[in-house]
Amino acid sequence: AQSVTQLGSHVSVSEGALVLLRCNYSSSVPPYLFWYVQYPNQGLQLLLKYTTGATLVKGINGFEAEFKKSETSFHLTKPSAHMSDAAEYFCAVSRPGGSYIPTFGRGTSLIVHP
Amino acid sequence: GAVVSQHPSRVICKSGTSVKIECRSLDFQATTMFWYRQFPKQSLMLMATSNEGSKATYEQGVEKDKFLINHASLTLSTLTVTSAHPEDSSFYICSARDPDGTEAFFGQGTRLTVV
Repeated sequence: AQSVTQLGSHVSVSEGALVLLRCNYSSSVPPYLFWYVQYPNQGLQLLLKYTTGATLVKGINGFEAEFKKSETSFHLTKPSAHMSDAAEYFCAVSRPGGSYIPTFGRGTSLIVHP
Repeated sequence: GAVVSQHPSRVICKSGTSVKIECRSLDFQATTMFWYRQFPKQSLMLMATSNEGSKATYEQGVEKDKFLINHASLTLSTLTVTSAHPEDSSFYICSARDPDGTEAFFGQGTRLTVV
């Protein structure tokens, strides 16, 4: 069984400030972890993913996330928020082995203030 | 990355009619596609897993006869909402698993409104 918990349904930051979106997972096997972004009335776009190897993963638009096995976390960060980062962000976990069926978190709405 | 095209992006239909939503993988073959439903301000709910050439696997609580899924080719899966009712109004999203099986690519979603 696998599950994802995203802490905070809303995160509000000022433009230029650090963005931190939290994700904790539960998985009975070493997981694959993902962060997706969704803009209004659109599908999901992959920001970054962790499968194996380096635990610090860099993605698009300046985002990165670090897989911490001891903390079962995969928090998403960006050093400086931009107005265009305002969107819904979803963390997801799946099992390795060629059978991608993800379990999504509830999502975190990122609000960026000018 | 790979592209998944979903059509239509918006549809309004009358109660009792059926609506078909198409999901196409444009530049790769997808043996497996997923159909999700998303309620406002909520996460994605997996409705079914669609496998090319075989019957779809529906999640618990999803009505098979209401949400018909056909995956007739390696690049096309369709979701037909039959005898639609206002409570079927929602945002439906498809995704296609990449050939490596490590991730999936999402369509742009379909906003269905049943009046």
